[in-house]
Amino acid sequence: DQQVKQNSPSLSVQEGRISILNCDYTNSMFDYFLWYKKYPAEGPTFLISISSIKDKNEDGRFTVFLNKSAKHLSLHIVPSQPGDSAVYFCAARETGANNLFFGTGTRLTVIP
Amino acid sequence: NAGVTQTPKFRILKIGQSMTLQCTQDMNHNYMYWYRQDPGMGLKLIYYSVGAGITDKGEVPNGYNVSRSTTEDFPLRLELAAPSQTSVYFCASRDGQARPQHFGDGTRLSIL
Repeated sequence: DQQVKQNSPSLSVQEGRISILNCDYTNSMFDYFLWYKKYPAEGPTFLISISSIKDKNEDGRFTVFLNKSAKHLSLHIVPSQPGDSAVYFCAARETGANNLFFGTGTRLTVIP
Repeated sequence: NAGVTQTPKFRILKIGQSMTLQCTQDMNHNYMYWYRQDPGMGLKLIYYSVGAGITDKGEVPNGYNVSRSTTEDFPLRLELAAPSQTSVYFCASRDGQARPQHFGDGTRLSIL
């Protein structure tokens, strides 16, 4: 029972263009969402997060959008760079809970 | 600043053997976690700890044990290794409730 879903296993984007990674969730009690980036043979690295009281959070080239009614969030990377090529995981948690639920990841390839 | 350190990086076990995966963090974080990641899947929580002496089960605890005698260390024990435990294991830690988790680089474990 996958509570956090990333339906696109892979995405290829030209350097300089926008990358949009999508994530859906089923648990309406989730109120804190995170994106992690993972390179091969390394652990996931925190990228950006958003609380359910917001619908947008920006950090440099990275913006996360949250649509609570649709139970959907997306990560926008503008402009995309070759160093952004990695697997991106969406994760979600309920307030006060310790269990972080992860999606299956999307492999982003940025083509120079 | 080393962050979260996991040892070993790779290990091959025979069915029925036991081993301990080590995890240590130097950030004085109270919360620590063990996840497993199977191929093509997201990370799933095995066990977690909210402080020294306190541990609790996650989503997939069967076949594992943990202990937390110090703030820094959170070892994961496999008592009777089974092929289904072949996976990549990640340890993570975090500071407060609204803080993201920091991950180690993982232990790749194969059970043959």
